[in-house]
Amino acid sequence: NAGVMQNPRHLVRRRGQEARLRCSPMKGHSHVYWYRQLPEEGLKFMVYLQKENIIDESGMPKERFSAEFPKEGPSILRIQQVVRGDSAAYFCASSPENMNTEAFFGQGTRLTVV
Amino acid sequence: AQTVTQSQPEMSVQEAETVTLSCTYDTSESDYYLFWYKQPPSRQMILVIRQEAYKQQNATENRFSVNFQKAAKSFSLKISDSQLGDAAMYFCAYLGRGGGADGLTFGKGTHLIIQP
Repeated sequence: NAGVMQNPRHLVRRRGQEARLRCSPMKGHSHVYWYRQLPEEGLKFMVYLQKENIIDESGMPKERFSAEFPKEGPSILRIQQVVRGDSAAYFCASSPENMNTEAFFGQGTRLTVV
Repeated sequence: AQTVTQSQPEMSVQEAETVTLSCTYDTSESDYYLFWYKQPPSRQMILVIRQEAYKQQNATENRFSVNFQKAAKSFSLKISDSQLGDAAMYFCAYLGRGGGADGLTFGKGTHLIIQP
């Protein structure tokens, strides 16, 4: 049973480009969480999704950021018109129900904006 | 809003010794979960141990145990017989029981160094 898969592991984008980060949850998991980790910081919650639904996006910036978790395929975190401040590690976690059960994290995508 | 505080940016311990990492949190909820996660240089977030607030007994996983003081809102992690592979960042995290919205709230982490 493969764990949570995130790709790419590393992503470099120029300012103004778009970044797409993908997360495939563990088999059987229908809940996905995205977190952002800035250098020397803990992870900060961004958005919580179930299949085809955004449950809570209170931690996600209102502009330029969006997330989806379609019925088929991975969850996507999309950052439009990236800026240097978007450089961070982005983690995805999945669980079979809500996070009260053990959540499994992916290895993260490190986004560097140049 | 909940907050999690880890007051030790860095800790160092001799191999085979015991070390305790501190964590305090602030919440108005009475039922919740607390976690310790390990993040080695690979960046993978690995769950070390979990505590349910309504359980008075401290959680234990092999060499890892917690000291959960609910009234004091304290949740420290004790690592016994430290091994070189324990070197990593350790994050304390909080999760409210009410549905999982908002996700985990993390502290800023403690960098654990193991001296051979």
